Amino acid sequence: SAVISQKPSRDICQRGTSLTIQCQVDSQVTMMFWYRQQPGQSLTLIATANQGSEATYESGFVIDKFPISRPNLTFSTLTVSNMSPEDSSIYLCSVTGQGAGDTQYFGPGTRLTVL
Amino acid sequence: SQKIEQNSEALNIQEGKTATLTCNYTNYSPAYLQWYRQDPGRGPVFLLLIRENEKEKRKERLKVTFDTTLKQSLFHITASQPADSATYLCALDITGAGSYQLTFGKGTKLSVIP
Repeated sequence: SAVISQKPSRDICQRGTSLTIQCQVDSQVTMMFWYRQQPGQSLTLIATANQGSEATYESGFVIDKFPISRPNLTFSTLTVSNMSPEDSSIYLCSVTGQGAGDTQYFGPGTRLTVL
Repeated sequence: SQKIEQNSEALNIQEGKTATLTCNYTNYSPAYLQWYRQDPGRGPVFLLLIRENEKEKRKERLKVTFDTTLKQSLFHITASQPADSATYLCALDITGAGSYQLTFGKGTKLSVIP
C-alpha cells in the first residue's frame, strides 16, 4: 500500500499568482500522476510526473501553466501558474507501482480557490 | 469520440437493498476496469479492479462484473448501509498500453436511506 500526503490541503489565492502543491509518498513508487477535479466534475488527468525528466502532459495542459517536478521516487510538485478563477479546483496526486503495487492510490487533494 | 458513461448521476436506495451502478464505455478495449469510492472533500479510494478475462470479482459485499462484448461493467453493493453513501467512479486505462493513466467516468452519487 501507499500513504500519500499533500500540502497545502487548501488555499485561497489571488489572480495572477502561482501556487506549488507538494505530494509525498511513504514508499518508492513507479508512477506519479496529477489530476484535477473541478466542482461537480470527475477527475481529469493533467500529467504523468517522470522522475528525472520532463513530465508528460495530457491534451489541454501545458508545462508553462502546470510545471511539474519529480526529483525522486517519493516526491513530486505541481505548480499552478498565473492563476485565474477558472483554475479553482481540487488537485490530486496519485501513485502506483512498486511499493503501491498495481493499485492506484490517491492523495487527499488540495482545494484551490482563485479570487 | 471515446467516452465513459455512468448510468446516473444519483441513485437513492433503501437500506438493506442491493445497489447496482452501471459503467458503459465506447471505442475502448481496456485491459482492465477499476471502481473507486469518493467521499466529499476526499480523494478517491480504490475498491476493485477487474481484468478483461474476468467475468466477475467479489470483495465482501461488493461485486463487479465486466462484459467486454457489451462494453459494460456493473457494480453491486449488497445489503447496503447508510455508510455506503458516497460517489462511485469507474475508471479505465484508455491507452490500452497498461500505462496506468486512468480516465474516469463522472461518477454516480449513491445515497442509502435508513
